[in-house]
Amino acid sequence: AQSVTQPDIHITVSEGASLELRCNYSYGATPYLFWYVQSPGQGLQLLLKYFSGDTLVQGIKGFEAEFKRSQSSFNLRKPSVHWSDAAEYFCAVLTNTGNQFYFGTGTSLTVIP
Amino acid sequence: DVKVTQSSRYLVKRTGEKVFLECVQDMDHENMFWYRQDPGLGLRLIYFSYDVKMKEKGDIPEGYSVSREKKERFSLILESASTNQTSMYLCASSETGEKLFFGSGTQLSVL
Repeated sequence: AQSVTQPDIHITVSEGASLELRCNYSYGATPYLFWYVQSPGQGLQLLLKYFSGDTLVQGIKGFEAEFKRSQSSFNLRKPSVHWSDAAEYFCAVLTNTGNQFYFGTGTSLTVIP
Repeated sequence: DVKVTQSSRYLVKRTGEKVFLECVQDMDHENMFWYRQDPGLGLRLIYFSYDVKMKEKGDIPEGYSVSREKKERFSLILESASTNQTSMYLCASSETGEKLFFGSGTQLSVL
């Protein structure tokens, strides 16, 4: 069965510090992988996606993620966090039917000034 | 830009009421989804639809039904609302094999 695990429920970082949010997936085929961000009271916005090719993908707002097949991971990174990055972050897998997504439980990010 | 519009931002209903949550997308997407979001549980799929009049159960369909009479509109129906259905409901749409576009969500409170 497909699943997505985000082991960190909540992370606190200082503004300007680097950030890494972890995501592990379980899926039998080559996955399509996504990171979404949700600001308070809002819907989800796509940060970046991986379908194939280069395993390091760049997204919006200075985020990047690296697909590691051997570790079944797709961790999200940002070299220098801004206060406006405080939000909930969700990792997701799209199945090979092309129309069913599985989401992790999310990681809540707090940024300290 | 794709727009997914949910008809209500906040909704308060009483136990036993029939509740309709409406969602409209403006980009002719094939697929539409209803998710429920609860703290610590992430997003859980209630139902999705890959074509007009077609629907598939997600992970938690109990207590819900859906309707898709037109391609752009996907309705979630709570036949008899209960307090454990108090939650944030998110609608989304996509082309097959592509990313999801989300609405802003409906915070439903059932008293």
